[in-house]
Amino acid sequence: DGGITQSPKYLFRKEGQNVTLSCEQNLNHDAMYWYRQDPGQGLRLIYYSQIVNDFQKGDIAEGYSVSREKKESFPLTVTSAQKNPTAFYLCASSIEGVHTPEQFFGPGTRLTVL
Amino acid sequence: QKEVEQNSGPLSVPEGAIASLNCTYSDRGSQSFFWYRQYSGKSPELIMFIYSNGDKEDGRFTAQLNKASQYVSLLIRDSQPSDSATYLCAVIASGGSYIPTFGRGTSLIVHP
Repeated sequence: DGGITQSPKYLFRKEGQNVTLSCEQNLNHDAMYWYRQDPGQGLRLIYYSQIVNDFQKGDIAEGYSVSREKKESFPLTVTSAQKNPTAFYLCASSIEGVHTPEQFFGPGTRLTVL
Repeated sequence: QKEVEQNSGPLSVPEGAIASLNCTYSDRGSQSFFWYRQYSGKSPELIMFIYSNGDKEDGRFTAQLNKASQYVSLLIRDSQPSDSATYLCAVIASGGSYIPTFGRGTSLIVHP
């Protein structure tokens, strides 16, 4: 089955801790994205990557970091600098350079700060 | 800042009725428009995309695009309780980045 997996499904973080959210896809998509969703809000773009070893900041990148060492993987680290990290985090992928690039989403990780 | 606006709702319709969801966008050069459905606690899934003016139908769903007025809508005919979800509008603007901007979503409740 082709798709996107995210782990863990639920994550709890203590104040001052860094945590890393995993995102893996086997769709052979070039582009991958990280979004944050707060209750009653739409999706806000944190980071995106259109090719291996390259990534760009989105609208709310402060306090987050990413890497793209492999086409299939795009992990997101929530650092202690992110002051309000409690949210639902969604990873997505798409075919790059297509006129109507549908985004395929993973199941999400719900992060809670204790 | 490219903006995509949706009424947050909730929009409540009886079962069997037509649900009409609307979305407006600020970038006149926008080229691609998407409707995603998101059930509570789940990730979004694509329902339809449209990039030409006019209507596009897929089963009970119809997307309508009016670029002159900068709005896109989603009609759901014969609404079912299983259609109850949040519907997200996403727009790819001009500039070639292919990065969509999402609206906040409209909550739809279909009551029996």
